[in-house]
This record gives sequence, structure tokens and C-alpha cells, in this order.
Amino acid sequence: AQSVTQPDIHITVSEGASLELRCNYSYGATPYLFWYVQSPGQGLQLLLKYFSGDTLVQGIKGFEAEFKRSQSSFNLRKPSVHWSDAAEYFCAVGTLAGNMLTFGGGTRLMVKP
Amino acid sequence: EADIYQTPRYLVIGTGKKITLECSQTMGHDKMYWYQQDPGMELHLIHYSYGVNSTEKGDLSSESTVSRIRTEHFPLTLESARPSHTSQYLCASSVRTSGSYEQYFGPGTRLTVT
Repeated sequence: AQSVTQPDIHITVSEGASLELRCNYSYGATPYLFWYVQSPGQGLQLLLKYFSGDTLVQGIKGFEAEFKRSQSSFNLRKPSVHWSDAAEYFCAVGTLAGNMLTFGGGTRLMVKP
Repeated sequence: EADIYQTPRYLVIGTGKKITLECSQTMGHDKMYWYQQDPGMELHLIHYSYGVNSTEKGDLSSESTVSRIRTEHFPLTLESARPSHTSQYLCASSVRTSGSYEQYFGPGTRLTVT
């Protein structure tokens, strides 16, 4: 069975600083990988996804993620964080072309002014 | 922009009451899902549907039931609410695009059972 681990429960960064959120997955086949963001009291919004091709994928809001098969990782990055990026971030691995998702526990990002 | 709606957004109800959480989408997506999310925790799939008259249980066992009579509508029902059902319930639908499925989420219903 597939699983996703997000090692950092909370991360605090200063506004303007760079950000990296870690995600490790376990899945036997080629994974479909996703990053979602959830603002307080809201549903999830898709930031980006990977399933083949270039291992560095660009998403919305200036985010990018890099797939590293050798490390079973799919870390999310942003070069300069804005206060509006404060939210909960979820990594997910999908089976059946991404039809069925298994989510990690989430990382709560706080941004200091 | 995805159009998926959930009502009510917040619900406080007493033990033993029957409740139905509504979920509707206007995108014509065949696949729909219900997730349960406890505060600060990951999402767990409790039900999904691949189309009209198709419903399946997800990874997390749930006492709730679902129905799919119309493509756009996927309600979740609890026959007798209990405090252990207190949680956030998220509805989603998906479409295949650019080689993989993408799930679109509603805003969620936060349920409190007293």
C-alpha cells in the first residue's frame, strides 16, 4: 500500500525567505504526486502535480517541486515566501493515474513579518 | 476555477440526530469523493463514486452512507450522529487532464456532535 510522510508538522519562515517543504512517499509503481494547499476553513487547492517527464514541475503561486526517484521524495519549494502563503500544505500520492489519493499528515506553514 | 459546493458549512447537532451533508458540482465530473479530516490531521477517504448509481467505501471505515442518483449530487448521510463523528468532511470531484486525474475540493462541512 502507498503512504506519504511529511516530516515537518510546523514550519515558520520569515517573509521573503525561501521555503522547502519535505515529502517522502512509498509506492511500488511510478507515482502520481500532488501538492495541495488548504487555507483555514477552506477546501484544498491543487498547487502542482507530477507523473512523468521533467522532474522539476512548476505550479501556481510561484511554487515548484522536484521529484527525486532515488530518494522517494517530492519536495515543494518557493524562493520567496509571502505572508499570504501561510496555510496547511498536503502532499499526496495517487494510484490509478491519480484517481485515488493518499495524503500525508500536512505541514502547517507560518510566515513571520 | 472549479465549482463544487458543500452545505452546510458548519453544523452543530445533538447525538442521535439524522443528518445529510450536501455536495454538488456543476462541472459534469463522473468521479466524486468524500474525505474525513480531523483537526490538524491528514485526509482519509471514506466514500467514492465513479458515476450515477456507483458508490464504494474508502480506506477509512465510516458509519455514514452515500448515494449518487444524479451526476452533480453526492450527499452523505449519518443516520444517528454521535460525538465520534465530529470532524470536517470534504467533498471532491475529479477530471482527467494532462495525463492524470485532478481532484477539486469543496470548502468542507465542519460537523460538531454534542
